[in-house]
Amino acid sequence: DAGVIQSPRHEVTEMGQEVTLRCKPISGHNSLFWYRQTMMRGLELLIYFNNNVPIDDSGMPEDRFSAKMPNASFSTLKIQPSEPRDSAVYFCASSLRAIVGEQFFGPGTRLTVL
Amino acid sequence: KQEVTQIPAALSVPEGENLVLNCSFTDSAIYNLQWFRQDPGKGLTSLLLIQSSQREQTSGRLNASLDKSSGRSTLYIAASQPGDSATYLCAVRVGGDSGGSNYKLTFGKGTLLTVNP
Repeated sequence: DAGVIQSPRHEVTEMGQEVTLRCKPISGHNSLFWYRQTMMRGLELLIYFNNNVPIDDSGMPEDRFSAKMPNASFSTLKIQPSEPRDSAVYFCASSLRAIVGEQFFGPGTRLTVL
Repeated sequence: KQEVTQIPAALSVPEGENLVLNCSFTDSAIYNLQWFRQDPGKGLTSLLLIQSSQREQTSGRLNASLDKSSGRSTLYIAASQPGDSATYLCAVRVGGDSGGSNYKLTFGKGTLLTVNP
């Protein structure tokens, strides 16, 4: 298996632009997580999907952030409009069983908002 | 609210040395604890997962222990090598009657390990 796949790996954009990050979880995994990593706050959970359904989006910082999972093999995280404080590394992770299973992380997308 | 602390924030050792990384958490009602490795510019690689009923897990030169009652875990690396240089993160998953949120991992900020040749 190729592991969790994320694209793009790097994204540089200007303030106010829309940004879409993409994730393909490991085949067969039914749980998907989006995290954000910054120096100040470390790794924070943004949203958790189980069987394509958003279960917990309490970590999504603002209404500018939205996430979708239209099918078991694809998810997007969208920021509209983007702001410089959104600059961070965004990780997607998947798990076979959310509660007891290991989470497997993708390589991340480094986002820079100018 | 669960808080996870990792000390030290950075550690530099000569090659071949045995070392211990520390992780502490404030709420002992955890379901399991996971140690990760993160290389610069890359994602997290899972190293070891310890269930709350376990005391330790071993994988090669790595040994992770868990003392749930005291809220501590250690990652022991034997005979360190330059290739072990990375940031090591621990994460705990809440357990028990947690309102159904025991899928959540709470991460420490990591220990940056440098193994010098």
